[in-house]
Order: sequence, then structure tokens, then C-alpha cells
Amino acid sequence: DADVTQTPRNRITKTGKRIMLECSQTKGHDRMYWYRQDPGLGLRLIYYSFDVKDINKGEISDGYSVSRQAQAKFSLSLESAIPNQTALYFCATSDPGTGTHGYTFGSGTRLTVV
Amino acid sequence: QKEVEQNSGPLSVPEGAIASLNCTYSDRGSQSFFWYRQYSGKSPELIMSIYSNGDKEDGRFTAQLNKASQYVSLLIRDSQPSDSATYLCAVIGGDQGGKLIFGQGTELSVKP
Repeated sequence: DADVTQTPRNRITKTGKRIMLECSQTKGHDRMYWYRQDPGLGLRLIYYSFDVKDINKGEISDGYSVSRQAQAKFSLSLESAIPNQTALYFCATSDPGTGTHGYTFGSGTRLTVV
Repeated sequence: QKEVEQNSGPLSVPEGAIASLNCTYSDRGSQSFFWYRQYSGKSPELIMSIYSNGDKEDGRFTAQLNKASQYVSLLIRDSQPSDSATYLCAVIGGDQGGKLIFGQGTELSVKP
């Protein structure tokens, strides 16, 4: 099984619908992140969590919310999806105790809002 | 000004040539620098990390860091068609609390 699992892998939804993207990890890392990727824009940070009780907004949090249900689970919600939220979404975990910070990425969720 | 900037490309090189990818960053307190490779639709894959000024070599890859100029680069020697991908520069800044901030990526195409 993958260390960081994202579900669903692909999703098409309609404008105005609420949608949740889920992320679970078996790395045992306290830190978890949600990024979105648009063509030509790299990965941009949406929200991050350094432990279950610590949630922080990233660069582009408007229109999104998150929930850290447990150390291993971090969900991203779009309360009312809009077409410009069409993107590739990545969940990641990290361990600052390692030299490279031990970032591990999930396989991504491709979201299309029509 | 973006915190981390790269030329978006595309950069095209012939097979066997050296590919040179560049990145600048704005936070002088940044301490950790990374290069990720990303194939289309896939998750980023770490290929190099560098923390101190100078060069770091790993196989065909060399990362170069110049903190005074706030510049980090990646050289790929003997480029292969399988190196064709988007290369992402990423930085953990001095006050970023361990958050990884990415550049927009440079698309590399290696022509046979």
C-alpha cells in the first residue's frame, strides 16, 4: 500500500456542489499539507497542519476548508465548487527531523468542476 | 515577486547534452533547497537536496547553490529522453516553519 493515499483519484463535479478530497498516511508523520497544481504554476499550498490541533491557511485557502480527523487523516473540502478550482490536488506529509524533511506526496486527485 | 521563480520553458536539449535549470528565491533566510522531477499527471519525485553553498553531485545530476545571489541550479549531464519532465525547484525558508514553497516548474524536453 502507498504511504500517502488520496481518494478519489479522479472526480468530476458540478458547480455549486460540495466535495471532499481525502488523504490518509501510514508514515506516522505529524505534518500534513494540501497543495493544488495548475499548468505553469507549480504547486501552491492551500492548507497545512503540524498536528491534530494545529491547522493553518496557506497561500490560496479561499474557497477551501480542511479537517484533521486524526494524525493519519487530513481532508480537504470545497464547500461550493467553482470551475476555477479545476486542478490537480496533492496531499503530502513531512518529518522535519530528517535531513530532507522527508516530504512524501500522494498520487494526486484530478478534480474537474463543470 | 514570487518567493521562488523559475523559467517556465520549455527547455529543449538534444540527447547527450547538458541541461541547465535555474531558480531564484526571495527569502534570504532560506536554508533548504530541493529539486523535484514530475512526469505529467504524476506526483513530484525528489531528485536532489542541497543546504550549503557550492556544488553537490549525484550521478548525472549536479545541484549548485549560491546563497549570496539567492540562486540554485540543476545540471543534468548526458541528458536522456527519459529525463523529459517538469523540474520543480522548492525551498524551505527561514520563517516558513518547514513548509515547502515551489517554483512554477521548468518543462524539459530531451530530443533523441
